[in-house]
Amino acid sequence: KQEVTQIPAALSVPEGENLVLNCSFTDSAIYNLQWFRQDPGKGLTSLLLIQSSQREQTSGRLNASLDKSSGRSTLYIAASQPGDSATYLCAVLTGGGNKLTFGTGTQLKVEL
Amino acid sequence: DAEITQSPRHKITETGRQVTLACHQTWNHNNMFWYRQDLGHGLRLIHYSYGVQDTNKGEVSDGYSVSRSNTEDLPLTLESAASSQTSVYFCASSENPTDYNEQFFGPGTRLTVL
Repeated sequence: KQEVTQIPAALSVPEGENLVLNCSFTDSAIYNLQWFRQDPGKGLTSLLLIQSSQREQTSGRLNASLDKSSGRSTLYIAASQPGDSATYLCAVLTGGGNKLTFGTGTQLKVEL
Repeated sequence: DAEITQSPRHKITETGRQVTLACHQTWNHNNMFWYRQDLGHGLRLIHYSYGVQDTNKGEVSDGYSVSRSNTEDLPLTLESAASSQTSVYFCASSENPTDYNEQFFGPGTRLTVL
């Protein structure tokens, strides 16, 4: 059974700092890995999707990497801003190709 | 713009009642999913569908059912609501093919069972 772990569970940083969020998964037979953002009381917004054959994806200040063989992904956020405050979730697509398994998230707070 | 909507956004019901949560997507996606989100458990898959007339059980399907009569809708029914089903429910959809299957999520329904 696929298990996804995110470390740390919570993170507080000053504005402008570069930061890394970590995601690990137990079964390396994944189709892709997706990073989401969730604001309090809101739905999930897809940030980046990395296919199993890719090593990284970039969107603006966000960069996600994938090391499938070691079961790890990182989400790098450059020059963090208070508007980046949210919970970040990673999820892997496995088992028949359409089922996402989620981590429990990293709650990020960027302070002025 | 294409979107995925859920209704109601908030619902309070009593134990034992039947409840149906609606999910509607306008992307014409084949795949639709229902998840529940609980503190300490993250999001867990309840049911999913790969197309019209197709339904499949997920990780936590007991007490829930779905039906898929058209591409756009996948309603989730709680046959006899229990307090353990108090949660936030998210619907999602995705398009084939499998190797680039980004899932898009609705805004969620917060269900309270008293």
